[in-house]
Amino acid sequence: DAKTTQPPSMDCAEGRAANLPCNHSTISGNEYVYWYRQIHSQGPQYIIHGLKNNETNEMASLIITEDRKSSTLILPHATLRDTAVYYCIVRRRDDKIIFGKGTRLHILP
Amino acid sequence: EPEVTQTPSHQVTQMGQEVILRCVPISNHLYFYWYRQILGQKVEFLVSFYNNEISEKSEIFDDQFSVERPDGSNFTLKIRSTKLEDSAMYFCASTGELAGVGDTQYFGPGTRLTVL
Repeated sequence: DAKTTQPPSMDCAEGRAANLPCNHSTISGNEYVYWYRQIHSQGPQYIIHGLKNNETNEMASLIITEDRKSSTLILPHATLRDTAVYYCIVRRRDDKIIFGKGTRLHILP
Repeated sequence: EPEVTQTPSHQVTQMGQEVILRCVPISNHLYFYWYRQILGQKVEFLVSFYNNEISEKSEIFDDQFSVERPDGSNFTLKIRSTKLEDSAMYFCASTGELAGVGDTQYFGPGTRLTVL
C-alpha cells in the first residue's frame, strides 16, 4: 500500500500557484519524497524529489516539513496543461514505486 | 532529452494469444521496470530487472509473464496466453546510471493492450 495520503482532488485558477499537500507520517530516514504526475493515460512524468531539504527545479518546488511527515508540491504558475493526477510517493532510491490514487488537479481557466 | 520509448502504442489481441511488448530504456540505465494500469485504476508494479535477472516481482507477475533483455537496447514483456483481465496500459521505466545506485525512474508513454 502507498505510504502517503493526498486529497482526491483540487482546483486551481490558471496563473495561480497550485499547492498540493501530502502526508507521509511513517516515512523512514532513508526514504525520499518523489512527485510524479500523469496526464490523462500517458506515462507517469517525474516532477521532483527530495530527502529533507526544500528543492526547486524548472517545473516545481518541493517543501518538506522539518519532521519530514508531510510535504507540499508547488506549481508556481499553473497552466491548463498542468491538469493531471499528481502522485506523492515515498520510497528508497533503489526501490520500486508504489502508486496511490493521487490528487486530481483541475486548472480552471 | 533522453527518453524511454515503447512499441507498439496499441496492441489488440485475441484471448489466449501471446503478446510481446517492447521498450527501449534510456541509454546507460541499468535498472528496468514494468508497470501496468487497468483503466480507471492505480498504476501497479509488475517486475524489476537488473543485471539480466529479475530482482523483484509482484503477485500479478505470474508464470504467464516473462521479461527479457535480448540485446543491449531492448527490454521486453511477454504474456504467454493473454486473458481478458490483462487488458491495460503497460508502462516501462528505467533508472540507475550507476551500478548499485537506483534513482529517479523515467517512464515510457505506454502500450495499450486490448484483449478480445
